[in-house]
Amino acid sequence: DAGVIQSPRHEVTEMGQEVTLRCKPISGHNSLFWYRQTMMRGLELLIYFNNNVPIDDSGMPEDRFSAKMPNASFSTLKIQPSEPRDSAVYFCASSLWWTGDHYGYTFGSGTRLTVV
Amino acid sequence: DAKTTQPPSMDCAEGRAANLPCNHSTISGNEYVYWYRQIHSQGPQYIIHGLKNNETNEMASLIITEDRKSSTLILPHATLRDTAVYYCIVRVRGDDKIIFGKGTRLHILP
Repeated sequence: DAGVIQSPRHEVTEMGQEVTLRCKPISGHNSLFWYRQTMMRGLELLIYFNNNVPIDDSGMPEDRFSAKMPNASFSTLKIQPSEPRDSAVYFCASSLWWTGDHYGYTFGSGTRLTVV
Repeated sequence: DAKTTQPPSMDCAEGRAANLPCNHSTISGNEYVYWYRQIHSQGPQYIIHGLKNNETNEMASLIITEDRKSSTLILPHATLRDTAVYYCIVRVRGDDKIIFGKGTRLHILP
């Protein structure tokens, strides 16, 4: 398996533009998570899905952020409009729903977003 | 609120065992202890988890005290590639989300 695949690896955009980050989870995993990491705030959970359904979006900072999971193999995180304070590394992770033989999350390599 | 307390940084000589402590004095009976690490510029990586028994896998060993209020992650023969931030997390079985704290930055010295 190729692991969790995120695209793009790097994104530089101007303030006010729409940004879309993409994630392909590991085949067979049924939970997907979006995290954001900054030096100041560390790793923050933004939202997660189980079986393509959003379960907890309490970490989404504001209405400018939205996430979708139209099917089991694809998710997007969209920021519209983007602001310089959104600059961070965004990680996607996937896992199997808790079964007792849980081996943790598998993270992607992240998307480094810079908003200028 | 942080459920775990870890030292902000530690050093370990290459080839030695690295012992990373974690305090989780308020852990509940249904909470597991998880360890992840994050190597620079990469996503976090799962290492090991346990409930109350000691656990070992190909990466590390996890020692949990009898009262479950603290644990130690042991990397038996540290290499330079083990330089990373190590996160200790407690998580309720059935709760699918993981909340990361600040972790311990481990420096392996040549």
